[in-house]
Parts: sequence; C-alpha cells; structure tokens
Amino acid sequence: GNSVTQMEGPVTLSEEAFLTINCTYTATGYPSLFWYVQYPGEGLQLLLKATKADDKGSNKGFEATYRKETTSFHLEKGSVQVSDSAVYFCALRPRDDYKLSFGAGTTVTVRA
Amino acid sequence: KAGVTQTPRYLIKTRGQQVTLSCSPISGHRSVSWYQQTPGQGLQFLFEYFSETQRNKGNFPGRFSGRQFSNSRSEMNVSTLELGDSALYLCASSLAPGTAYNEQFFGPGTRLTVL
Repeated sequence: GNSVTQMEGPVTLSEEAFLTINCTYTATGYPSLFWYVQYPGEGLQLLLKATKADDKGSNKGFEATYRKETTSFHLEKGSVQVSDSAVYFCALRPRDDYKLSFGAGTTVTVRA
Repeated sequence: KAGVTQTPRYLIKTRGQQVTLSCSPISGHRSVSWYQQTPGQGLQFLFEYFSETQRNKGNFPGRFSGRQFSNSRSEMNVSTLELGDSALYLCASSLAPGTAYNEQFFGPGTRLTVL
C-alpha cells in the first residue's frame, strides 16, 4: 500500500537556522508529493508540491525535490522565522487515486 | 474567492449521540473529501464525494457516513458516538477528481469532543 514516513519531531530551532524535515514514501507508480502546513487552530494549507521525478516544489522560502531513486521528498528552508512555527505534513497521492496519504506530521518551533 | 467553510467549528457531544458536520466547498469545486485528525492516528481519509456519489471510502466503521448535495455541499454523520471519535474533522475540496494534479484545499476543520 501507499505510506509516508516522516521525520519525528518535535523540532526546535533558533531564528535564521536551517530547517530540514525528512520524508520518504512507499507507493506504486509515480505519485504526486505534497507538503502541507498546519498553524495552531487552523486547517491544512498546501505549502508546495511536485508531480514528477526531479521536480522541485518551492514556496515562501521552502523547497523540496522529488527524488524517485531514494523515494524521498525532504523539506528544506535556509533561514527560518518565528512565523514558521507550525506542524508540517508530507503527503502523497497516487495517479489512480484521489485520497491523500499523510505522514505523522512534524512539529516545528522557532525561537527568537 | 471564499475558501472551504466548515460548520460548526466546535462541537461537544456525549457518548451515544449522533452528530452532523457540514462542508461548503470553494465555488466551482465539485469534489469533497473528508479526513479525521487525531493525535494518535494522525490524518486519516474518511471518504470522497463527486457529483453526489461516494467514490472512495477509508477504513472506518459504518457509523461514519456522508453525502453530497447537488450544489456540492457535503455533510458527514457519525452515529452512536464513542470517546475515540473525538478529533478534528477536515474537509477538502477540489475542482474534480481524475488526475493527480488537482490540488485539494482544506477548510479550518470542526473540532468534535465526545464526553
């Protein structure tokens, strides 16, 4: 079946530090990959996505590259801000299905 | 363009009761999916509706049901509530199913607490 394994948190960083959240997946075929962010008390927001191998998704300083050879989609940001404190979810959706399969989520706290 | 709206935002029920949650998708979106979020199980897919038809269903008991109306609004119902049903229920809408490129837009969720 399809599954997503995400780096466990929580992660605590200082402002301007480098952030990496690891994500690996198991799926048949070539799924689309996503990173969602959830701020306290809110629903999920799509942060970035990639739909084929070697695609790089980017948004708000965050980047992730679809690596088929390592079945990974690690999230990175070069300089985090306090406002980046949130829970981050890696997710996949197979080509022939419509539901998203999510990782467990990683809580990130950025301290000033 | 208004986003996905969910009502109510918060709900408190007791064991054995039933509850109905509502989701209004973004205008023009015809597909609605529901997810349950709990600290222990994370985000789990409940079901997906398109054109008033359930297309996919997750691994949940029959107490969980849903429907979609002709205006694409959707409701989900949980009967005979159990303590373990306490969760954040998220609704997501998209233009239509059919390709993996269609982005799902999530609502703020309904926080259900079962006492």
